[in-house]
Amino acid sequence: GAVVSQHPSRVICKSGTSVKIECRSLDFQATTMFWYRQFPKQSLMLMATSNEGSKATYEQGVEKDKFLINHASLTLSTLTVTSAHPEDSSFYICSAREGDRFDTEAFFGQGTRLTVV
Amino acid sequence: LAKTTQPISMDSYEGQEVNITCSHNNIATNDYITWYQQFPSQGPRFIIQGYKTKVTNEVASLFIPADRKSSTLSLPRVSLSDTAVYYCLVGAGGGGFKTIFGAGTRLFVKA
Repeated sequence: GAVVSQHPSRVICKSGTSVKIECRSLDFQATTMFWYRQFPKQSLMLMATSNEGSKATYEQGVEKDKFLINHASLTLSTLTVTSAHPEDSSFYICSAREGDRFDTEAFFGQGTRLTVV
Repeated sequence: LAKTTQPISMDSYEGQEVNITCSHNNIATNDYITWYQQFPSQGPRFIIQGYKTKVTNEVASLFIPADRKSSTLSLPRVSLSDTAVYYCLVGAGGGGFKTIFGAGTRLFVKA
C-alpha cells in the first residue's frame, strides 16, 4: 500500500529555536496533506490542511506564523515550528490521501515526537 | 462534519470477539464511515471503510444499519497486539475535505 514517511521520528530542541518536520508521500502524489498534533492520552487534533502550490488552511486557534507549512511539491509538505517553547512539545503527525476523496484511504506518517527543552 | 460518539474504553480477553459501536446521528447522505487504529507513538492505521450494510476485510468487519446513524467495528478473536485506540470517522468525498478525529476508544486486551 501507499506509504507516507515523516522525518525526523523524534527531535529535541532548545527553547527559542525552530524545527522542521518533513512529510513525504513515497509512491503517490498528494495534492492535499494534513498536519495533526497529539498530546499524551488525547486524540489527534487537526492543525492545518496543506495544499500543493498554495497557502495552507489553518484550523481555528492554530497560529499560522508559528507553525509554518510549505507544500512545494506533490510529494512533500513541511511543518516548521518556529521559536519553539516547551508547550509545543507534542507528537506531530501528517497524513495524505492518494485520491482527492474521503472514500479513499488516508495514510499517516509514523509521527514526530518533538521535545522542547 | 458529522460528530461521532464512541465508548471511551473497552476491555476484552484474548480470543474474544470485540464489537465497538460508534454513533453518528447527523451523518449526511454522501458521508462514508472509516475506522482507524492507533498504537502509542505511531500514526493511525486504516482498518476498514464502508457506506452501508456490511463490509469485511482480512482484519475486521464493519456493520452499518439501514439508517446509518451508527456503525459497529467487529474484531474477531482479538490478541494482545490489538490493544490500541480505535477511531471512528465520518466524512464525505470531494476536494478540500478534512479528516477529523473524535476521542476514540481505548481497547485493552488481556491475556
